[in-house]
Amino acid sequence: IQMTQSPSSLSASVGDRVTITCRASQSISRSLNWYQQKPGKAPNLLIYTTSSLQGGVPSRFSGSGSGTDFTLTISDLQPEDFAVYYCQQNYNNPYTFGQGTKLEIK
Amino acid sequence: EVQMVESGGGWVQPGGSLRLSCAASGFTFTHYAMSWVRQAPGKGLEWVSHISGSGGSTYYADSVTGRFTVFRDNTKNTLYLEMNSLRADDTAVYYCAKDPMGWGYFDYWGQGTLVTVSS
Repeated sequence: IQMTQSPSSLSASVGDRVTITCRASQSISRSLNWYQQKPGKAPNLLIYTTSSLQGGVPSRFSGSGSGTDFTLTISDLQPEDFAVYYCQQNYNNPYTFGQGTKLEIK
Repeated sequence: EVQMVESGGGWVQPGGSLRLSCAASGFTFTHYAMSWVRQAPGKGLEWVSHISGSGGSTYYADSVTGRFTVFRDNTKNTLYLEMNSLRADDTAVYYCAKDPMGWGYFDYWGQGTLVTVSS
């Protein structure tokens, strides 16, 4: 299953609301997860099963979607949110990731 | 506190072998499936392999099938990845990751270990 994220990069300002889209090449029901990765660090799970917030993750992160189209929304962007974001499907093996979306400071 | 520490990375020539380890602590290791995920320099994430909590079930990405073997020693709380017939495109940081439900998503990751395949 191919996962395609858009945009590949995004510039935004502190306080903005941003949306990242992930599209699957076939239906994956709600088996979609989101990770944040900062330079030199391991990925960090933000959201699992489309919309469940991982413990300790701020509520400004939210996810939605089903089937083939999914979104990650970050409201009220904070300085620590500038990072690369990956979607990942776990509908079946092999588990696959999107190519990443780099969120940069405008 | 959940912690996973990878080791065993390094430089190896094409065609060579390497064994990675992931020492886990802070959770009941045998209860959880684990995966290896890799990231080539400057690139995205690629899932490599999965192993069930008991070790009885394993899955691999097509790119490593037949060359890599994942196994675990639950008495030592350690996950392994045996890598043979290494190629230049295996060069990456390799992460071990804990799978909280065995469903294929990952709530804790190690810090990663770099494998460089080059002549």
